[in-house]
Amino acid sequence: DTAVSQTPKYLVTQMGNDKSIKCEQNLGHDTMYWYKQDSKKFLKIMFSYNNKELIINETVPNRFSPKSPDKAHLNLHINSLELGDSAVYFCASSQVSGNEQFFGPGTRLTVL
Amino acid sequence: AQSVTQLDSQVPVFEEAPVELRCNYSSSVSVYLFWYVQYPNQGLQLLLKYLSGSTLVKGINGFEAEFNKSQTSFHLRKPSVHISDTAEYFCAVTKGSGGSNYKLTFGKGTLLTVNP
Repeated sequence: DTAVSQTPKYLVTQMGNDKSIKCEQNLGHDTMYWYKQDSKKFLKIMFSYNNKELIINETVPNRFSPKSPDKAHLNLHINSLELGDSAVYFCASSQVSGNEQFFGPGTRLTVL
Repeated sequence: AQSVTQLDSQVPVFEEAPVELRCNYSSSVSVYLFWYVQYPNQGLQLLLKYLSGSTLVKGINGFEAEFNKSQTSFHLRKPSVHISDTAEYFCAVTKGSGGSNYKLTFGKGTLLTVNP
């Protein structure tokens, strides 16, 4: 069974469109994260949710809106997509007091 | 806030040679340290972690790392690499108190290329 899963794996879309990426974890963790990996492989945190509550928002444009319907899911909705949003987006999860984050396989977003 | 510097962006080595990937961190508080590996077109997999205790940490696939507080370093080593070790390696840090406000700060990665 996949611990942290993301859909879709690849997403190709036009500028200006709105798209969503879904993430689910079956590890029973309380905390979930979104990271962005740019074309130079640099990884940076975007958001963190603990028990459906937003706890970290790292200066991400408000076109990005995370939503956590329950503690096993953290979705990422992006409005008015821009060329610079092209990247690989990784979801991760951990225990509240945990120290190891488990990563999903990533979603490669390409904005044309 | 924490920061991580990976001193080498690329490290080419021959198969069966030893390798060291360097990582230095900066933090005003105690830290937890991690090494993750990313194989081509895949997600991140934890290699090893330092939380407390012994400064020499052993991980998967024969890798180990040593935490050096005075030098603020956490270098990754393997005595004999295989071609299958070719991947991007990321050093990461977080504050040692954990809790819910817990994020990983990553270095820029080191591409390890193992040649036959």
